[in-house]
Amino acid sequence: DGGITQSPKYLFRKEGQNVTLSCEQNLNHDAMYWYRQDPGQGLRLIYYSQIVNDFQKGDIAEGYSVSREKKESFPLTVTSAQKNPTAFYLCATTQGSRLEQYFGPGTRLTVT
Amino acid sequence: SQQGEEDPQALSIQEGENATMNCSYKTSINNLQWYRQNSGRGLVHLILIRSNEREKHSGRLRVTLDTSKKSSSLLITASRAADTASYFCATGRGSTLGRLYFGRGTQLTVWP
Repeated sequence: DGGITQSPKYLFRKEGQNVTLSCEQNLNHDAMYWYRQDPGQGLRLIYYSQIVNDFQKGDIAEGYSVSREKKESFPLTVTSAQKNPTAFYLCATTQGSRLEQYFGPGTRLTVT
Repeated sequence: SQQGEEDPQALSIQEGENATMNCSYKTSINNLQWYRQNSGRGLVHLILIRSNEREKHSGRLRVTLDTSKKSSSLLITASRAADTASYFCATGRGSTLGRLYFGRGTQLTVWP
């Protein structure tokens, strides 16, 4: 099955701890994106990567970090510097010059 | 920053009725896309319209784009209870290849 996997589906952490969210794809897509969604809100872009070993900040990158060491993987670390990390996090991909994005199922992070 | 703004924020209709959602945006775009999100899930791409197109159809979906008014509409004909979801418009700009800017969405409820 081709697709995008995000794990875990639910994640709970204590304030002050860093946490890494996983995003894996076997679609052979070039670009990968991380979004944050808050209740009743649209998606806000955190980071994106168009090729391996390269990534760019989105609109709300502060308190987050990413890496893109492999084409298939784009993990997102939510650091303790992120003031309000509780949210629904979505990973997406696009292939080549195509414009539509394919989304993973999301990870709901709760920090208390 | 969020680019699109959907209207209305919430829409409630009976099965069989048509549902119309609108999206307005502020800057020049090269494409506009509509996505659907079921509660707690990832987004699913529905339809893409390029800036040089005025109307597109896909099954029960009809999308229009008026670049002079910087607005788009999504029409779902003969709605079904299974169409209940949030619908988001997302705009793409030529200067930022691949990036999409999402609105806050319209929550559609279709009653059986």
